[in-house]
Amino acid sequence: LAKTTQPISMDSYEGQEVNITCSHNNIATNDYITWYQQFPSQGPRFIIQGYKTKVTNEVASLFIPADRKSSTLSLPRVSLSDTAVYYCLPHFTGNQFYFGTGTSLTVIP
Amino acid sequence: DADVTQTPRNRITKTGKRIMLECSQTKGHDRMYWYRQDPGLGLRLIYYSFDVKDINKGEISDGYSVSRQAQAKFSLSLESAIPNQTALYFCATSDYDRNGDEQFFGPGTRLTVL
Repeated sequence: LAKTTQPISMDSYEGQEVNITCSHNNIATNDYITWYQQFPSQGPRFIIQGYKTKVTNEVASLFIPADRKSSTLSLPRVSLSDTAVYYCLPHFTGNQFYFGTGTSLTVIP
Repeated sequence: DADVTQTPRNRITKTGKRIMLECSQTKGHDRMYWYRQDPGLGLRLIYYSFDVKDINKGEISDGYSVSRQAQAKFSLSLESAIPNQTALYFCATSDYDRNGDEQFFGPGTRLTVL
C-alpha cells in the first residue's frame, strides 16, 4: 500500500537550516518526488522536485537516496515567512499521488 | 496562482443536493487534478485527467464524478452531497513534458454540506 510519511511538526530558529524528511514506499521508478509549501487558506505552492541524488534551486535543496524510499527537503537559513506546512508528493506506481499529512514548520524569532 | 481558477470559492449546500465545482486554467497544461483537504490533514486525490479523453480515479473517488469538457476545464460533481464531503477542494494542473510533476494549484473551493 502506497504511503507517504512525514513528521507532524518542527520548530526552528531564524537563520538555521531546516531538514524535513519524507518516507515513501512503492513509488514509480522513473518519476519525480515533488515538495510543496502551503499557507493557511491557500493552495499548495511548488518548491522543488527531483528524481535522484541532489537538486538545488534558489529556495531549497532536495536529497534523494539511491533507493528512493525517502527524500529530504533542506531549507537554508529559514526566516519567519517560512512558517508554513510542507508536503512531499511522490509520484507512485499507477500514476497515483499521495500527499502526506504535511510537516508544520514554525520559525521562531 | 491566477492561471488556475476555481468557482465558486465558497459554497454552502444541503444534504442530498447535486453540486458542481468548476476549474479553469490558462496555462495550456494537459494534466488536471482534483484534491480535497480536510482540516489538519493533507490533500487526497479524487480524480485526475492526463488529457481530454483520459479520466482516472484517485484515492477517494467514491461519491464524486468528473468531466473534462476541454483541455482548459475540469469539473467535479457531487451527485448527492453528504456532510462528510465538507472540505476544501483544490484543482491543480501540470505539464509533464515541460515541468515534470510540478503541479499548479488553484485557490480552492470551501464546501460546506449541512
